[in-house]
Amino acid sequence: DAGVIQSPRHEVTEMGQEVTLRCKPISGHDYLFWYRQTMMRGLELLIYFNNNVPIDDSGMPEDRFSAKMPNASFSTLKIQPSEPRDSAVYFCASSFKGGFYEQYFGPGTRLTVT
Amino acid sequence: ILNVEQSPQSLHVQEGDSTNFTCSFPSSNFYALHWYRWETAKSPEALFVMTLNGDEKKKGRISATLNTKEGYSYLYIKGSQPEDSATYLCAFKEDNFNKFYFGSGTKLNVKP
Repeated sequence: DAGVIQSPRHEVTEMGQEVTLRCKPISGHDYLFWYRQTMMRGLELLIYFNNNVPIDDSGMPEDRFSAKMPNASFSTLKIQPSEPRDSAVYFCASSFKGGFYEQYFGPGTRLTVT
Repeated sequence: ILNVEQSPQSLHVQEGDSTNFTCSFPSSNFYALHWYRWETAKSPEALFVMTLNGDEKKKGRISATLNTKEGYSYLYIKGSQPEDSATYLCAFKEDNFNKFYFGSGTKLNVKP
């Protein structure tokens, strides 16, 4: 398996624009997580899905953020409108069910909002 | 929000030194603890998944222990090498929820 795939790897956009980040989890994994890494807050969970259903989105910063998982092999994280404070590295991770299984992280998307 | 603390924040050792650091987590409702290794400009990679009190896991020169009753886990590196330089993260999972709480990490720098 190719591992967790994220695209794009780098995104530079202007404030106010819509940004869509994409993730393809490892085949067979039924949990998918979206994380954001910042210098101030470290690695924080934004939302996670189980069998394509959002389970906990309490980490989503505000209504400008939304995430979907239309099928088992694809998820998106959308920011609309983007703001400079959204600049961060966004990671997607997937795992088999339960805490007994480690999470596999994608390479991340570095987002810069100017 | 659960508090998962790692100490020290950073560590500088010489090649060949052995070292250890700590992850502290709530001692109630424990379900699992994960350790991850995170190299600069890469993504975190799992080292260990620990689920039972008294667990001890080993992978080469790296090992980890778990004490769920007092709420801590230790990560040990024997004979550190420059390639061990990375940030080591722990992640705590509470019972009944699949949400992981990550510590802020211990950044290890091994000088040749």
